Amino acid sequence: KNEVEQSPQNLTAQEGEFITINCSYSVGISALHWLQQHPGGGIVSLFMLSSGKKKHGRLIATINIQEKHSSLHITASHPRDSAVYICAVPTGNQFYFGTGTSLTVIP
Amino acid sequence: DTAVSQTPKYLVTQMGNDKSIKCEQNLGHDTMYWYKQDSKKFLKIMFSYNNKELIINETVPNRFSPKSPDKAHLNLHINSLELGDSAVYFCASREGTGRRTDTQYFGPGTRLTVL
Repeated sequence: KNEVEQSPQNLTAQEGEFITINCSYSVGISALHWLQQHPGGGIVSLFMLSSGKKKHGRLIATINIQEKHSSLHITASHPRDSAVYICAVPTGNQFYFGTGTSLTVIP
Repeated sequence: DTAVSQTPKYLVTQMGNDKSIKCEQNLGHDTMYWYKQDSKKFLKIMFSYNNKELIINETVPNRFSPKSPDKAHLNLHINSLELGDSAVYFCASREGTGRRTDTQYFGPGTRLTVL
């Protein structure tokens, strides 16, 4: 069992839909990262959060430390949001990654 | 003025060869990482390195070795390449040494193919 679990693994949405990607983890952490990997392969760090909620444009990330759960929301999704979204948690000397959620937004 | 750069972007080689991938960051960060992303897109940390310590993921074969000539560079050397080493390798850096909560900045990745 992975220390970090994401759901869904694959997600197809129509342009404009509200999207939610979930991340659950089993290790104790002080923060959680959401990463975006574009179809070309590059990885971009979207959020690093340790409590509550953060918003950047149409992206919103929330975390509940007690429940060991985080969500990434995309409002008014757009085809350029198509990418793989990866949840990552640093703990101790390790950095654990989820398997990623592949999002495809159809025009 | 790329923050984290890697060379080469693509590397194709035969089994048994020794190869290196270079990583440079111009952010003044203290800690650098190497990650391996396999064919299933699963990211795994291989090494983390700062001025004071090298932390190795115990699952990484000793054919892999990081070399840091200075704070801005962390190169990855791979000896006796095997088919299973084919993957995309990402370098990353972050500002601090003790706080693993700092944002990491990733390089563009190096796609290694072993034939």
